[in-house]
Amino acid sequence: DAKTTQPPSMDCAEGRAANLPCNHSTISGNEYVYWYRQIHSQGPQYIIHGLKNNETNEMASLIITEDRKSSTLILPHATLRDTAVYYCIVRVPNNAGNMLTFGGGTRLMVKP
Amino acid sequence: DAGVIQSPRHEVTEMGQEVTLRCKPISGHDYLFWYRQTMMRGLELLIYFNNNVPIDDSGMPEDRFSAKMPNASFSTLKIQPSEPRDSAVYFCASSSGIQVSYEQYFGPGTRLTVT
Repeated sequence: DAKTTQPPSMDCAEGRAANLPCNHSTISGNEYVYWYRQIHSQGPQYIIHGLKNNETNEMASLIITEDRKSSTLILPHATLRDTAVYYCIVRVPNNAGNMLTFGGGTRLMVKP
Repeated sequence: DAGVIQSPRHEVTEMGQEVTLRCKPISGHDYLFWYRQTMMRGLELLIYFNNNVPIDDSGMPEDRFSAKMPNASFSTLKIQPSEPRDSAVYFCASSSGIQVSYEQYFGPGTRLTVT
């Protein structure tokens, strides 16, 4: 799996967009970008994934740069319940030896 | 569905004792994963099963750890003998595949404290 780099922490005002960056400069052509988050005292929760096109679902948007070396997770209107650690993961799906590997993540604090 | 169920939620035991953690995956999911989370090492994959068969146990720290999946609806992670450094939160997760669109669903975790 390609290594990812994320800022250790970020703050965001409630109601504003939270933009969480992830650097994956060594990503290979068949690796996908996945985002999970972990709210305190809970198990990780899947958010979104993508290969090269931007993706959007009911939780968030994922913007992947054209060279695929970085991506940004966007929470359009952050709420206090979005306070969590956000993990960016790159992996090759359907590869038995390449399961989810969680790094340090970004601790997002949403403030009133 | 109730989601992934883990028991117990908290376990406190003394060094040297046997510890058994239990997991019930989401019905219909044929992949089951065991993770361990500590402050020092973050979230680590220990082992995963496909159709009740262990596929990759390279993350299991040592022989004191063992995992079984006797049927599609139950798995155990056993530590014998336990040591203080095994103190962590242990998560079980399940999914219906490992391809692109198959996300992993995590249980609430078991917080293990070994004194």
